[in-house]
Amino acid sequence: QVQLVESGGGVVQPGRSLRLSCAASGFTFSSYGMHWVRQAPGKGLEWVAVISYDGSNKYYGDSVTGRFTISRDNSKNTLYVQMNSLRVEDTAVYYCAKDNGYYDSSGHYRGYYYYGMDVWGQGTTVTVSS
Amino acid sequence: QSALTQPPSASGSPGQSVTISCTGTSSDVGGYNSVSWYQQHPGKAPKLMIYDVNKRPSGVPDRFSGSKSGNTASLTVSGLQAEDEADYYCSSYAGSNNLLFGGGTKLTVL
Repeated sequence: QVQLVESGGGVVQPGRSLRLSCAASGFTFSSYGMHWVRQAPGKGLEWVAVISYDGSNKYYGDSVTGRFTISRDNSKNTLYVQMNSLRVEDTAVYYCAKDNGYYDSSGHYRGYYYYGMDVWGQGTTVTVSS
Repeated sequence: QSALTQPPSASGSPGQSVTISCTGTSSDVGGYNSVSWYQQHPGKAPKLMIYDVNKRPSGVPDRFSGSKSGNTASLTVSGLQAEDEADYYCSSYAGSNNLLFGGGTKLTVL
């Protein structure tokens, strides 16, 4: 079945780095954009980043720009986010999510922001604390 | 950019209908037909319920419907059931490769 499994969360001190992974299965990973979304304890959802199906385009939310890097390895069906210069306010459950995009009649991918995220992982917890 | 504005809570009795609003600006909700809605039960991952303002993914009951007027989008849940009790979040494209979520609404089935 279609599945996303995050890993790599943990407790880290402010200013340090952490890399999260998201293993995909049950769908053609290389054909879809992918997102990271986070949720601070007791708070709402916050979009973190998106990467195109081929990894050529990457965009970030304002709060992580310059500190986080999204990437993917389509040969391994795995999505990553490298988180540097972590802050206490980065403490959250981090979810990876599959973009609900599609290919139009011309073969162009349509999505990233327009059609939502239709498959989510269970999340991995990142705690930034001294 | 600020999060989209949702009421913190909403409620209804079984069988009734309830509508949750999501208010943005002309730069996000009002500027694009790209509103999505997610349902999240406690301790669980979000689930896509509506995309493209009013489209339902396969498997989502037709009791869930979406609409938009100006800068405000709405999610309506008809024929409320106990399992609909959850947090609901809207999202919208905000231009310049940015995506915004709402603050979330806790739906209580009385």
